[in-house]
Amino acid sequence: NAGVTQTPKFQVLKTGQSMTLQCAQDMNHNSMYWYRQDPGMGLRLIYYSASEGTTDKGEVPNGYNVSRLNKREFSLRLESAAPSQTSVYFCASSDRGGNQPQHFGDGTRLSIL
Amino acid sequence: EDQVTQSPEALRLQEGESSSLNCSYTVSGLRGLFWYRQDPGKGPEFLFTLYSAGEEKEKERLKATLTKKESFLHITAPKPEDSATYLCAVQVAGTASKLTFGTGTRLQVTL
Repeated sequence: NAGVTQTPKFQVLKTGQSMTLQCAQDMNHNSMYWYRQDPGMGLRLIYYSASEGTTDKGEVPNGYNVSRLNKREFSLRLESAAPSQTSVYFCASSDRGGNQPQHFGDGTRLSIL
Repeated sequence: EDQVTQSPEALRLQEGESSSLNCSYTVSGLRGLFWYRQDPGKGPEFLFTLYSAGEEKEKERLKATLTKKESFLHITAPKPEDSATYLCAVQVAGTASKLTFGTGTRLQVTL
């Protein structure tokens, strides 16, 4: 019972490099989300996808792009990585409808030098 | 602006010493309040959803309550395995399932 799977688990990049973080869920959920978690700050929403074919900006979208590849997969791309994007990135998914809990993957730890 | 504040930032308890964690919120319209547990190196794990003031939910040694301004997570007779960071999040009406998180309470339970 995998739930939400994120790859890779760790990555080190140089400033200016690009990278795509992958996320897949096997719970047949409609909605998917990307968050970043930084020390002393709560999880902050980067982008979300309410359903297949739609994406919307969250609280901190600058420097990121997303693709909802299909119902299962939602990827996050850093086109030109900056040290300020060093963080732990979490993907989550939830069922359709209000008040449904979000279920999280175990994160990608990304360092940008 | 929607805000979620958790206190204390860190809490150290001895095994069996009950206590409560606080989550206060200021939002335009609460649709739901969520509690999560996060272990080091892991993603948040869902615990409870509370929808309206007066509601309570229980799971093993944990009990969550909700008022119009805050939520409490009561931990009764904690064990070392309850050590984790506990996160609170709110879903605001009209925000399409988006969650606003607090910064968490780091709980350590010692023998």
